[in-house]
Amino acid sequence: DAGVIQSPRHEVTEMGQEVTLRCKPISGHNSLFWYRQTMMRGLELLIYFNNNVPIDDSGMPEDRFSAKMPNASFSTLKIQPSEPRDSAVYFCASSRSGDGTGELFFGEGSRLTVL
Amino acid sequence: GNSVTQMEGPVTLSEEAFLTINCTYTATGYPSLFWYVQYPGEGLQLLLKATKADDKGSNKGFEATYRKETTSFHLEKGSVQVSDSAVYFCALLRAAGNKLTFGGGTRVLVKP
Repeated sequence: DAGVIQSPRHEVTEMGQEVTLRCKPISGHNSLFWYRQTMMRGLELLIYFNNNVPIDDSGMPEDRFSAKMPNASFSTLKIQPSEPRDSAVYFCASSRSGDGTGELFFGEGSRLTVL
Repeated sequence: GNSVTQMEGPVTLSEEAFLTINCTYTATGYPSLFWYVQYPGEGLQLLLKATKADDKGSNKGFEATYRKETTSFHLEKGSVQVSDSAVYFCALLRAAGNKLTFGGGTRVLVKP
């Protein structure tokens, strides 16, 4: 089975540019999570969706960040405009909610560098 | 609210040494407890878990026991290998919840 697929794996952009990160969750999983990882702040949950509906976006840093999940097989995280402090590795993870296991399956991450 | 505290790293060990990473938690009710591992350049992956008090999770030579009386879930391995070098995250999932609460992660470096 294919795992969680993220793209791009690496992105280098200049301050002020729009960045879009993409995620394809594992088929059959109905919960999707976006995390950000930095050396300073560790692993932070940005937002999570259940059945394509945003449930908790309290971790989204500010209005420059937005996330969508138009269908069960695709989600995007957008940063507009990007700033150097947004440089981080962004992970997408999916799970099958309600199965009691609590297991998250992570993608390999998108490493973002904002110059 | 829920929280997870784990020892700060980095932890540097020689091959075949004994590894312990401490993890304590604060939660209401009876959460499930997890250890995730992140190898260099990869996402996190589940290492082991325990769903109730006194349960022992084990995988790849690692073990952790759910201790309700001390609210702890310490990770142990009797003889580490260089390939165990990674960042280890302790996490909890509250009963009927869907969102994991992660600790800050502990970087482990095993030298040959």
